[in-house]
Amino acid sequence: AQSVTQLDSQVPVFEEAPVELRCNYSSSVSVYLFWYVQYPNQGLQLLLKYLSGSTLVESINGFEAEFNKSQTSFHLRKPSVHISDTAEYFCAVRPISSGSARQLTFGSGTQLTVLP
Amino acid sequence: ETGVTQSPTHLIKTRGQQVTLRCSSQSGHNTVSWYQQALGQGPQFIFQYYREEENGRGNFPPRFSGLQFPNYSSELNVNALELDDSALYLCASRRDNSPLHFGNGTRLTVT
Repeated sequence: AQSVTQLDSQVPVFEEAPVELRCNYSSSVSVYLFWYVQYPNQGLQLLLKYLSGSTLVESINGFEAEFNKSQTSFHLRKPSVHISDTAEYFCAVRPISSGSARQLTFGSGTQLTVLP
Repeated sequence: ETGVTQSPTHLIKTRGQQVTLRCSSQSGHNTVSWYQQALGQGPQFIFQYYREEENGRGNFPPRFSGLQFPNYSSELNVNALELDDSALYLCASRRDNSPLHFGNGTRLTVT
């Protein structure tokens, strides 16, 4: 079984400031890791994912996340946030092994609010 | 635009009633999953269908059931609705090992 812990439920930050959203996971098997973003009244959009290779992954809109296997973490960072980054962010894991439903296990989410 | 359309967008039902939620996926998306997202929580996996057969289920009772059709549409049925079933229900689909595409969800309120 897998579990995901997002340590901060709310993160307020001023525009152009850096931000880090924390994510830790627990799993008895190897997993893929994901960050999803949810804007109000919308579904989830994939922000970035770690499948293999370089432990630092980047999105097209300036976010990055680093997989740390020893600390079982996958924290999301952005060096300078914009008002438009205001949204709910979810960390998720999925077992690598084939043959199962390979469903996503989500954390409880972090509401990022960017203040002017 | 993810190509996954859910209907209706909002729904109000009474405790004990039955509800059917619908999802239309992109052509070629042979896998569909349903998630329940309670207020203030992350989505929880309900079940998954692959080529019209259920091939995975989360910790939800049998009154949650589903169907997947050959035209890439699917349904989530919930019988004997309870107050705790109030949530946003998300449909997500993919083709083989590609990433999941989520719909905007159906907001179900049970009174």
